[in-house]
Amino acid sequence: DIQMTQSPSSLSASVGDRVAISCRASQDISSNLAWFQQKPGKAPKSLIYAASTLQSGVPSKFSGSGSGTDFTLTISSLQPEDFATYYCQQYNSYPLTFGGGTKVEIK
Amino acid sequence: EVQLVESGGGLVQPGGSLRLSCAASGFTFSDHYMDWVRQTPGKGLEWVGRIRNKAHSFTTEYAASVKGRFTISRDDSQNSLYLQMNSLKTEDTAVYYCARTGVHSDQDYWGQGTLVTVSS
Repeated sequence: DIQMTQSPSSLSASVGDRVAISCRASQDISSNLAWFQQKPGKAPKSLIYAASTLQSGVPSKFSGSGSGTDFTLTISSLQPEDFATYYCQQYNSYPLTFGGGTKVEIK
Repeated sequence: EVQLVESGGGLVQPGGSLRLSCAASGFTFSDHYMDWVRQTPGKGLEWVGRIRNKAHSFTTEYAASVKGRFTISRDDSQNSLYLQMNSLKTEDTAVYYCARTGVHSDQDYWGQGTLVTVSS
C-alpha cells in the first residue's frame, strides 16, 4: 500500500497568514493526488484533484503543487472559514489512501 | 445540484450485519463509479471500496480490512448505492460516507455520512 504522510499534523496561524501543508507519498504517484477540507461534524469537501486543479467553485486562495512523491497545499491569506482539517489522498493505485490530516487552528 | 444521502447506520453487535444505502440525485448516477469511505476518531479517513459503472461491468475494489466481509452494490434504476456489511467487528465502528468518483478517479462529492457503531 502507498503510505501518505502529512506534515505538520497541526498548525496555528492568524487570519491573513499564508500557510503550506506538505504531503509525501511512499512511492511515485505521478499527479494522482487530491486535497480535501473537513470541518467538525461535516463531510470532507473536495478542494483539488490532479495535484493542482481546483474543483469547481473552490476559491483561488487554495493552490496545489507537486508531482511524484512530494506535494503541497497552500492557502493564501487565511480567513476564519478556512480553519479546518485538511487531508491529502492518493488515487494512483488501490487501495486508495489518505494522509493523517493537518488541523489548521486559529492562533 | 449533486446530492448523496446515506442511511441505514445504527448500533449492531459484533458478528452482526448491516446494510447501508446511499441515495444519489442531481447527476447521471449510472455514468459514475462510486466509493465508500469511513472515518474513525482514531484512524482518520479510510477508503472502504469502489464500484465501477456498467461500462466496466460493475466491478469492485475493496480495502484489505473489509475484503470478504463487505460487499458494494448498486441499482442504477433507483440511483442507489449499497454497502452490505457482514461479520462486523468493533473496529468497523465509524461514520460511513458515500462519495462520487470524479473523472480523475478522485472523490468529488460526498454524502453527510451515517454512523455505524459495533458494540455489545
